[in-house]
Amino acid sequence: EAQVTQNPRYLITVTGKKLTVTCSQNMNHEYMSWYRQDPGLGLRQIYYSMNVEVTDKGDVPEGYKVSRKEKRNFPLILESPSPNQTSLYFCASSFGRLADIYNEQFFGPGTRLTVL
Amino acid sequence: AQSVTQLGSHVSVSEGALVLLRCNYSSSVPPYLFWYVQYPNQGLQLLLKYTSAATLVKGINGFEAEFKKSETSFHLTKPSAHMSDAAEYFCAVSVTGGFKTIFGAGTRLFVKA
Repeated sequence: EAQVTQNPRYLITVTGKKLTVTCSQNMNHEYMSWYRQDPGLGLRQIYYSMNVEVTDKGDVPEGYKVSRKEKRNFPLILESPSPNQTSLYFCASSFGRLADIYNEQFFGPGTRLTVL
Repeated sequence: AQSVTQLGSHVSVSEGALVLLRCNYSSSVPPYLFWYVQYPNQGLQLLLKYTSAATLVKGINGFEAEFKKSETSFHLTKPSAHMSDAAEYFCAVSVTGGFKTIFGAGTRLFVKA
């Protein structure tokens, strides 16, 4: 089954304790992206990756890191989480070839993160 | 810079009534426009997309949207609401040559029996 998976689905942690949220897709997509969803703000893009070893900042990258060492995986790293990073996080992927920028994004089920 | 505005954070309709969810965009270049739906405790899934091929776009579950350049709008409609349409709906814009997608704040649709 074609899908985007995220782990963990739920996470409660404390301020300053490094964490990683994994994202994996099995559709051979070139493009992957991370979003955070907050009430009244919709989805805001954190980072995106156009291919292996190619990443760029979205609109809210502060406090986050990403890496793209393999095509299928795009982990989101919070080196020192803070309470304002409490949110619902979504990973998404698409083919993303420049000429096909209009291709739809496929979303994972979400990771609900609480930072105390 | 691109932006998306969804008018109304909550919309309530009766079952069988017309659904109209409003979306206005701002873009200095021809945009690609999307509507996504999010059911409770799930990720987003694509309803429909505008890619300049046709101004009236039909999507899944009986939804459609019309691109109006003069009004910079891309409103989502469905002639007759079903209880299963209750969800949150997001309008989004992508720009040619870039890989950023801008989402609106979302509109939660309630359907009354």
